[in-house]
Amino acid sequence: KQEVTQIPAALSVPEGENLVLNCSFTDSAIYNLQWFRQDPGKGLTSLLLIQSSQREQTSGRLNASLDKSSGRSTLYIAASQPGDSATYLCAASGNQFYFGTGTSLTVIP
Amino acid sequence: DGGITQSPKYLFRKEGQNVTLSCEQNLNHDAMYWYRQDPGQGLRLIYYSQIVNDFQKGDIAEGYSVSREKKESFPLTVTSAQKNPTAFYLCASSTTGTYYEQYFGPGTRLTVT
Repeated sequence: KQEVTQIPAALSVPEGENLVLNCSFTDSAIYNLQWFRQDPGKGLTSLLLIQSSQREQTSGRLNASLDKSSGRSTLYIAASQPGDSATYLCAASGNQFYFGTGTSLTVIP
Repeated sequence: DGGITQSPKYLFRKEGQNVTLSCEQNLNHDAMYWYRQDPGQGLRLIYYSQIVNDFQKGDIAEGYSVSREKKESFPLTVTSAQKNPTAFYLCASSTTGTYYEQYFGPGTRLTVT
């Protein structure tokens, strides 16, 4: 069964810093890797979807990369802002989505 | 606006009662999903459906039931057989095929006392 791990569980950075969130998965036979943002008490908002044939996707200040062979994906956030504070989850899809437990990000003004 | 709606946002029930959570989507997606989220744990799949009148059990289906009579709707019933029903429940939908992207509703927080 696919296992998805996100380290660290929590991260605090000063405003303006660039940062990287990590996601690892055990089975490289995935279709997609999707990154989500979750605010407290809310649903998940899709940030980026990387298809298995792709190496990266970009949206604004966000860049996600995928290395299937090593079972890793990273989410790079440039010039962090307090509004980026949230929990970030990754999910690897095969016949279903498998989620990590998330990284709780706090950006300090 | 296209999207997924879940109602109610908060739900309180007494132990021993069945309760149904609503999920509706207007994205014209074939597939719909129910997840449970507990503090410190990732989302766990309860049930999913890829077509009307058909659904499959996920990893934690015991104590739950679903129906899929319409493409737009996928209600989840939490039965009295579910031992720890208090949780945050999330509904999602997607297209089918290999490269599908999931979209989520706002969630329902169920508290059973």
